[in-house]
Order: sequence, then C-alpha cells, then structure tokens
Amino acid sequence: DAGITQSPRHKVTETGTPVTLRCHQTENHRYMYWYRQDPGHGLRLIHYSYGVKDTDKGEVSDGYSVSRSKTEDFLLTLESATSSQTSVYFCAISVGAYEQYFGPGTRLTVT
Amino acid sequence: DQQVKQNSPSLSVQEGRISILNCDYTNSMFDYFLWYKKYPAEGPTFLISISSIKDKNEDGRFTVFLNKSAKHLSLHIVPSQPGDSAVYFCAATTPPQGAQKLVFGQGTRLTINP
Repeated sequence: DAGITQSPRHKVTETGTPVTLRCHQTENHRYMYWYRQDPGHGLRLIHYSYGVKDTDKGEVSDGYSVSRSKTEDFLLTLESATSSQTSVYFCAISVGAYEQYFGPGTRLTVT
Repeated sequence: DQQVKQNSPSLSVQEGRISILNCDYTNSMFDYFLWYKKYPAEGPTFLISISSIKDKNEDGRFTVFLNKSAKHLSLHIVPSQPGDSAVYFCAATTPPQGAQKLVFGQGTRLTINP
C-alpha cells in the first residue's frame, strides 16, 4: 500500500458535464500519473506531474486537463465529458527509478 | 502503433503447472520492463521487473526472461496457484529522465483451474 487514494471510486455523469477526479497520496512522492484502462488497450498515460504546478501531457491527453497545487493532490478534469471517456482511471506514483504504484481506480461512466 | 503487445488475451492453466505469459515490444530504446498483476476492482500491483542488462530475474515462483534480440519477454509462474488468476500487464520504459512513462501491453487474463 503506497498510500494512494482516489475519489470518487465510481461516477456516472452525462455527456457535456465537467468532471474532476482526485488522487491523493500521503508519502510526499514527487512524480504522479494519470492513466486510463480500456479493453484491448491496457493502460495509457493521460498526463503526469513532476512537481507542484509542473505537469505534462501523456499519450492520450486530448479532452483532459490536470492540476497539482499541493504535493499530495493530483486532479484530473474532463472539461466536457464524452462517451469515449467512459473508462477506469488510475492514478500512480513513482517509487524508485522505474516502478510505479497504483491507486484503486475510479470507474467513470458517461451517458 | 502499439509498442508493447501481449498477443494472448487469455490463458488457462491447471493448478500446479507452469504459466507462461508473453510480451513483445518494438521500441529498441526500452531498457526496463515490468510485470503488473491486476485483480477486478483493484489497481495494478507491481510484480517483478527486469533491466535490459539482464536476461533473467527471479523472485520466488515468478521469473521473467528477456530476449533483447527478439524484443520479447516472458513471465513464468511455477507452480501456478488459484490466487494467480488475474489480468497480467507487461510494461516497458526508457532510461529515467525524471518522470517515467510506462507503456503497457493490452493484458492477458490468466485463469488457474483447480
């Protein structure tokens, strides 16, 4: 357990509404990541952060934004949710040079 | 373009036998490889890893083999146990430059039959 929590754990929202997912860590790790998991694609990197207010895009960043105002919190925002953003979202932190540890996930359904 | 591929969506193995999960990659810049295990409704958990300077890494019942010339790695689980039933993801990354961007395969669902 790397002290990562995600909220909410489940959410159903309508197309066009904004949605914010929260990742919280308790161990002061510098690097944090947001991935989405979809059948047939494994996990794909959306955005990552390398410090407070320092973020960058990953492989599938279109339609998503992130913010990190405190070391412990990394927020993922869908400005206007679409059905293609129905997915399971995982937050992760870097532990050591290579390994990442993941949170429990948020299942998001956009209707 | 899928840089990391797991071509078997599912695998069924009898309890006590060996499970072999395969993974192929295309990017020759990858220098570190990881395997994650995922149970339903949980996040992936780190299982074992290997650096490109090695061809084998062992941890208990789990062994990962790397064949750089073939750009292929495999995870061996011996003996397989019912608790090993899960989805397994392989992941690859390039030399560390701060944040590590892991590239994942599609996953293989392993079922261990009693």
